[in-house]
Amino acid sequence: QVQLQQWGAGLLKPSETLSLTCAVYGESFSAYYWSWIRQPPGKGLEWIGEINHSGSTNYNPSLTSRVTTSVDTSRNQFSLNLSSVTAADTGVYYCARSRGPGAVDFDYWGQGTLVTVSS
Amino acid sequence: QSVLTQPPSASGTPGQRVTISCSGSSANIGSNYVYWYRQLPGTAPKLLIYRNNQRPSGVPARFSGSKSGTSASLAISGLRSEDEADYYCAAWDDSLRGPVFGGGTQLTVL
Repeated sequence: QVQLQQWGAGLLKPSETLSLTCAVYGESFSAYYWSWIRQPPGKGLEWIGEINHSGSTNYNPSLTSRVTTSVDTSRNQFSLNLSSVTAADTGVYYCARSRGPGAVDFDYWGQGTLVTVSS
Repeated sequence: QSVLTQPPSASGTPGQRVTISCSGSSANIGSNYVYWYRQLPGTAPKLLIYRNNQRPSGVPARFSGSKSGTSASLAISGLRSEDEADYYCAAWDDSLRGPVFGGGTQLTVL
């Protein structure tokens, strides 16, 4: 049974850096890509970026200047940093698993973290 | 503004068949698989359909997907009250080099 458990700060001030981590339990970490997806309040889903076990990354072009992802294979964890946040970055952030570039088969998701950016 | 276009709402009565449309372009739906997700309030999305018309294990046969050109549809037959949720289409976009989603369709069971 695959489980994704995520955590990170939920309240940020403008210009701060959002940091989230997702731990993967129960399945081969190296066989998949690991994504971050966000959802502003009352709105749709937006893919932020993905990383695999070797550190290969792909980012949404609209966010690439502010996004950094990393992976810790010893702990089966991956992380997201989003710099210079504004109110527009407020929303629920999810981590999710897929088969990688070309695939949009997010079959396992974290529980979501509500991130609020407010002064 | 989402890359894929869905109607914001849809509705049906119990037992009825409803369809939700998703429109894209040659860069996404026209050249890649379509996926569908269901999201209940306060929960993470759940994969409902992958590769246009395939159902993951555990998804009832009442749910079916189809694709034609740059458009796709999700059909739900034998509508039930528990089908009330938000439904999202998604596809890989060759121009953006990443997944894109529709804006979501809120399904109401009357």
